[in-house]
Order: sequence, then structure tokens, then C-alpha cells
Amino acid sequence: GQQVMQIPQYQHVQEGEDFTTYCNSSTTLSNIQWYKQRPGGHPVFLIQLVKSGEVKKQKRLTFQFGEAKKNSSLHITATQTTDVGTYFCAGLRAIYGQNFVFGPGTRLSVLP
Amino acid sequence: DAGVIQSPRHEVTEMGQEVTLRCKPISGHDYLFWYRQTMMRGLELLIYFNNNVPIDDSGMPEDRFSAKMPNASFSTLKIQPSEPRDSAVYFCASSRGYSNQPQHFGDGTRLSIL
Repeated sequence: GQQVMQIPQYQHVQEGEDFTTYCNSSTTLSNIQWYKQRPGGHPVFLIQLVKSGEVKKQKRLTFQFGEAKKNSSLHITATQTTDVGTYFCAGLRAIYGQNFVFGPGTRLSVLP
Repeated sequence: DAGVIQSPRHEVTEMGQEVTLRCKPISGHDYLFWYRQTMMRGLELLIYFNNNVPIDDSGMPEDRFSAKMPNASFSTLKIQPSEPRDSAVYFCASSRGYSNQPQHFGDGTRLSIL
């Protein structure tokens, strides 16, 4: 089964609305990465978070790593049609040796 | 710099045929990953190599799947015999590290088994 979960699975927003996707793990993660995949494209690396409670920003995107390092979030402010795609988190589970897994992704649709 | 190069981009073949997917990683990257993506199962890691050596192939569905990396600049994923349920997009990715460096994905091979 999935070791890293993401919610929601799908999200439809009106252009200009905010969007947040959440990534949750049952075990502590050593780090977490976020990727974006445009329709018909391939996953593209966005950012990596390593420290507990870390927050990073990229223009309208804000990434956060939870204090317990078991969850993360990606928040997009004032979505644009160019934000359409699937957002994946991927993390290194800190137990049972190294096990780097991708979440199932959140598919974002932005209506103009 | 050239990214990860995969070929072919599209493959349509009949069930029972052998399928070979190819990947050229980014020069200098010592990790190579093969993924399969479907609507039902999402992005699944099939196998990954470190310095051309297979490290974890626990994601390979069954014996019909095999992967090789004869040198640092080339890897293949082979399916023999192919079945309709193998239809998916197969991605190759490479990176400088297992989990602490970004993975760079190729454009993928869209495989359809009739």
C-alpha cells in the first residue's frame, strides 16, 4: 500500500483562488521533495525540505515541512492556469533502511 | 546540458512481443531509476541502479520484466512477453544521489500493448 499519502486526490479551483495539497507519512521522513507534472509531461523537481518546521517559498508557492517531519504541504497563492498539473511529494523514510517513495499526487485543475 | 533521454517516445505492439525501452541518463549522475505510471497505480518505482549496479528491484512486477545497465550512459528495461496490462508510461530518471538530490526525469515512453 501507499507509504506516503496525499490529499486531496483532485482539486478544481477558479483562477485566482488559493490551493493547498497535503502530504502525510506514517513514519518520520528524513527529507521531502516536491515535483510537478504537467499533463502529458514528466515530473519536474520543485524543491527539497530537510529541516523540521522548514518553510520555503518560490514566488506564489510555499512549501512547509512539519515539526514531526511526518507531513508536508504545498500552498499556491492566487492560482493561474499555468499551475495546472499533478503535484507529487516524495520522501525518504527514516526507518528500515533507505526507502524513497513518491506519493500518489494531487491533480490540480484551474478554471479560467 | 542534455537531459535524460528515453526512446522510443511511443511504442505500440501486440501482446506476446518483446519490448525494449532505452534510457540515457545525465552524464555524471550515478543513480538511475525506472518508473511506471498508470492512472490506477500512480508512479511506481520498478528498479534503481547505483553506479550501474541494480540495488533494489523489488518493484519489478514479475519475471517478464528485466533491466540492465551495461555502462554509465545506458540502461534498458525489457518486457518479454508483453501483456495488455503492461500498457503505461515508463519513465527513466537519474540523479547524483539516492534521495538528497533532485531526480531528473526523461520524457517517458508511452507503451500500448494490444
